[in-house]
Amino acid sequence: SAVISQKPSRDICQRGTSLTIQCQVDSQVTMMFWYRQQPGQSLTLIATANQGSEATYESGFVIDKFPISRPNLTFSTLTVSNMSPEDSSIYLCSVEWIPASGQGSGYGYTFGSGTRLTVV
Amino acid sequence: AQSVTQLGSHVSVSEGALVLLRCNYSSSVPPYLFWYVQYPNQGLQLLLKYTSAATLVKGINGFEAEFKKSETSFHLTKPSAHMSDAAEYFCAVSLSSFFSGGYNKLIFGAGTRLAVHP
Repeated sequence: SAVISQKPSRDICQRGTSLTIQCQVDSQVTMMFWYRQQPGQSLTLIATANQGSEATYESGFVIDKFPISRPNLTFSTLTVSNMSPEDSSIYLCSVEWIPASGQGSGYGYTFGSGTRLTVV
Repeated sequence: AQSVTQLGSHVSVSEGALVLLRCNYSSSVPPYLFWYVQYPNQGLQLLLKYTSAATLVKGINGFEAEFKKSETSFHLTKPSAHMSDAAEYFCAVSLSSFFSGGYNKLIFGAGTRLAVHP
C-alpha cells in the first residue's frame, strides 16, 4: 500500500490567518481525501481530490474555507483559511489503495499521521 | 448512501474479559467494511477489513470481526482484553469499487472508546 507523508505534524496559529497542509504519497494514486477530526470526535470527510479536476466537498464544507490543490498524482494540499478557534482539529489526508489486477485483497485506505492544528 | 452506526460510545471491560464492539452498517450495495484503532495522540491503524471474501476476518492484535449480511453487522471481538487494547475504535464503510462506478468514500462511525481495567 501507499505511504503518506503529511506536514506539518502540528502547528499553533493565530486566528484570522491561514495554514496550508501538505500531503505527499510515495506512489501515484487517483483519489486523495481530506478529513477533519475535532477533539474527541470521529473523522469527518471534508473533500475528495481527483487530479486535474476541482475537489468535491462534503456537506458543510466549502471551497472558500478549505481550498484544495491536486497538481499531480502524488501530492495535494489543504488550506484552512481565516482560521478561528473552532478550526482547532486534527486534519488527515488519505488515499484509496486499489491493488493491481491479481494482487488479491490489498484494497484499502492509507492515512497520513495527521496535522494537529491549534488556533489561538 | 452508506453509513455506519457504532453502538456504545464507551465500553469498559476487565483485563482478560471478552471485548465486543458493535458496528451496524447501511448500504444499498455490498459494502467494504473496516475497523481502525487510534491510540491516544497517535494516528489511525487498520485492524482488519472485509472486502467480500471470507465473512470471518482476522486482524492484528488478536481481533476479529464477522460480516453478517442478514444483520447488517460487522462487530469487532477479542477473546481476552489486554490493558494495551485501551484506545478509540472506529468502524468505517466504503462502497465496493465494482458497484460504485466512481470513486469511493470511506465513511466513519462515531467511534467507541474502550477502557480496560485491572
